[in-house]
Formats: sequence, structure tokens, C-alpha cells
Amino acid sequence: NAGVTQTPKFRVLKTGQSMTLLCAQDMNHEYMYWYRQDPGMGLRLIHYSVGEGTTAKGEVPDGYNVSRLKKQNFLLGLESAAPSQTSVYFCASSDFDRGRRGSEKLFFGSGTQLSVL
Amino acid sequence: GENVEQHPSTLSVQEGDSAVIKCTYSDSASNYFPWYKQELGKGPQLIIDIRSNVGEKKDQRIAVTLNKTAKHFSLHITETQPEDSAVYFCAASPPRGGADGLTFGKGTHLIIQP
Repeated sequence: NAGVTQTPKFRVLKTGQSMTLLCAQDMNHEYMYWYRQDPGMGLRLIHYSVGEGTTAKGEVPDGYNVSRLKKQNFLLGLESAAPSQTSVYFCASSDFDRGRRGSEKLFFGSGTQLSVL
Repeated sequence: GENVEQHPSTLSVQEGDSAVIKCTYSDSASNYFPWYKQELGKGPQLIIDIRSNVGEKKDQRIAVTLNKTAKHFSLHITETQPEDSAVYFCAASPPRGGADGLTFGKGTHLIIQP
């Protein structure tokens, strides 16, 4: 009954360091998403994937890369972290709706708190 | 693109009273309006949603109303309880499927006073 699992839960980086956030879902969902949540800003979409091997840019993609090599995993990478990337990162997944289009109903992980010093 | 405004940013109500959170949207083509609840230290969870062909939807103590003409929708929570304390997000999506089109409001911190 895991749903969407994110690792790590907390991380502190120095400016210029790199890291990868891992998201895993066990619901066999086709679609996966990475959001960032900043105080007073709501949730903003970074990148998303509509299936294994696909990725697409969201609203705020700069400074991030993603990969979806396996259907159940969606990785978010920061190649050279900046203080502006201090945020809480959420992974989410969704499946097809009854019409076999992407469903708008998201299932979120519990988040990763990232601080860049 | 779509713009979703959410008010208030913080709402404090006495336990047992009702709470109302309001959102407005700019794109008249949007047709899907979900509400997510985020408890402290957790990810958002979908609690109720409505499509533009329906004016109101209820699920026990929560309800959502939609006014397409005015382009606003609201979340109503009756008989509030301590476990209702959380951050609530509204969102709007155009009719093209997929969650990549969702635009979220900035959130409302609901505080239930005992």
C-alpha cells in the first residue's frame, strides 16, 4: 500500500553540488510529475512524463533534468544546485481515465525538503 | 495561460463552524476543478473535484460549488473538526486531459480553533 514513495526526505546541498531525487510508484500509473512547492507560490510543475522513456517540460524546468527509464520510477536531477532551488519537491502520478486519456487526478508522494546553501 | 486566485490565504474558524475557501480562474475553457488537502509533513491529497457540467457536488461534510459565468468555485466544509486543519489548494484544468494542464492556487491555511 505504498503508493508514491520519494527519497530522500531531507537533503542539504552546497551551491554547485549535484543530486538526484528518486520517485517510485507501485500503482502501475502511466503518468508521473515533479512539482516544487514554495511558500505563497502553490505547486508549480517542473517536468512530467506521459510514459516510460518520455519526458516533457512543465512551467519551471530550468536547472532540472529528468529521466523515466522504468515505468515505476521518475528521477529529478539538479546538475549544479543554486539557492533558488531551495524548496519542497513533490512527485505525483496519475493513470488513464475511462477514455484512455491522462487523468487529472494526482497521487502525491510525501515530499523532499531540499536546502541549498 | 490559466491564472487561479485563491482566498483567503489563512482562515481561522471555531470548531463546529463552517469554512469557505474561494477560487477564481481566468480561462473560460477550463472544465475540471479539484481541491487538494495537505496535512503537515505530507503530500497533497485529492478530497473532492467537480467538472463544469455540474454546479455542485457534495461528499459528507465537504462540498464544492461552481459558477461558470463568474468563473469562480468554492470549497465548503461544514461542522469543522480538528482534523480539518490543513492547507487546501484549488486548481483548474483545461479539457485536454492529463494533469500537466493543472494550474494551482497558492493555498489556504485552515486553522480549526478548539
